[in-house]
Amino acid sequence: KNEVEQSPQNLTAQEGEFITINCSYSVGISALHWLQQHPGGGIVSLFMLSSGKKKHGRLIATINIQEKHSSLHITASHPRDSAVYICAAGGSQGNLIFGKGTKLSVKP
Amino acid sequence: DAGITQSPRHKVTETGTPVTLRCHQTENHRYMYWYRQDPGHGLRLIHYSYGVKDTDKGEVSDGYSVSRSKTEDFLLTLESATSSQTSVYFCAISESRQGLYGYTFGSGTRLTVV
Repeated sequence: KNEVEQSPQNLTAQEGEFITINCSYSVGISALHWLQQHPGGGIVSLFMLSSGKKKHGRLIATINIQEKHSSLHITASHPRDSAVYICAAGGSQGNLIFGKGTKLSVKP
Repeated sequence: DAGITQSPRHKVTETGTPVTLRCHQTENHRYMYWYRQDPGHGLRLIHYSYGVKDTDKGEVSDGYSVSRSKTEDFLLTLESATSSQTSVYFCAISESRQGLYGYTFGSGTRLTVV
């Protein structure tokens, strides 16, 4: 069993829809990271969470430490949100354990 | 304006040859990492560095070595390239060991071993 599991693996949405991507982890963490990988391959760090909730524009990330679960929400989705979203669990030693990613496609 | 650059961006090499990938940063961050990304796998850590001449192995370090003689440069060497090392390689940097301020990733190097 992978230490970091994401669901769904693939997600297709219509423009304007509310999107949720889930991440469950089985390891102890110091922080949970959400990353975005564009079709061109570049990886961008979106959020780092150790508790609660963070918001940046239309993106919201939440974490439940007790449940070992995090979610990434996108409100009013747009085709430019199409990307692979990656969850990564950060250990106390600084190592990151990555999920396999969720490929999001937003249709106009 | 990228604070981290990888070179080369693409490389095709023959089995058995040595290959060196370079990661260069202008952010003066202490921590640097090399990952590989393969279909069906998440990013996996090859080696990392926590300072000049301070490096350690990650989960998939076999067949790879690294060097960091300056804060800004972290080199990844495939000592004798094999087809199983065909992959996309990403370098990342962070200010803190636990990535408390996030990570910055390079644009990746696509390596093909034929």
